[in-house]
Amino acid sequence: KAGVTQTPRYLIKTRGQQVTLSCSPISGHRSVSWYQQTPGQGLQFLFEYFSETQRNKGNFPGRFSGRQFSNSRSEMNVSTLELGDSALYLCASSMAGNQPQHFGDGTRLSIL
Amino acid sequence: QKEVEQNSGPLSVPEGAIASLNCTYSDRGSQSFFWYRQYSGKSPELIMFIYSNGDKEDGRFTAQLNKASQYVSLLIRDSQPSDSATYLCAGGDSNDYKLSFGAGTTVTVRA
Repeated sequence: KAGVTQTPRYLIKTRGQQVTLSCSPISGHRSVSWYQQTPGQGLQFLFEYFSETQRNKGNFPGRFSGRQFSNSRSEMNVSTLELGDSALYLCASSMAGNQPQHFGDGTRLSIL
Repeated sequence: QKEVEQNSGPLSVPEGAIASLNCTYSDRGSQSFFWYRQYSGKSPELIMFIYSNGDKEDGRFTAQLNKASQYVSLLIRDSQPSDSATYLCAGGDSNDYKLSFGAGTTVTVRA
């Protein structure tokens, strides 16, 4: 069974640009969550989607947004990139709600 | 106040010993708890989950949950050098559809 697939694996952007990250969940998983991981802040919750609906959002500015498609694939977008957005962005999928989440390999975003 | 706190470590144990990791949580609404292992440069990997009070064993790993005291622990028996990693504790509340993670405990198993 294929795991969670995130693309791209690495991205280098400059301040002010925008970026879109993609996540394909494990087949049959309808819940997709996004996290930001940095050395200083650890793993921080960004948002969770289920059946194309955002059910919860973490404490991040509006520059961070996401969506989920009918096939459960999800994208997150960060606009007007700042140096502090440099991080590992992780996507995790689960069957639903509080079921165990399985992480993808992540997208490492570097802002110059 | 952080929702999930872990003993910060680092924790160094000799090969073959038991590594004990602890985690406390503040949200009494948390109902499900997870332990993830993260190797350097890799993404977190689920190793245990526990929903009910008591112990849950899986191979060399035992998770313990005490909801009254709001703590979760992970024991790694017969520690191996391959167990050297950062271990993340996470708690989930079915009402808000998110996991809150602790800062992680770095474990080093000395050969």
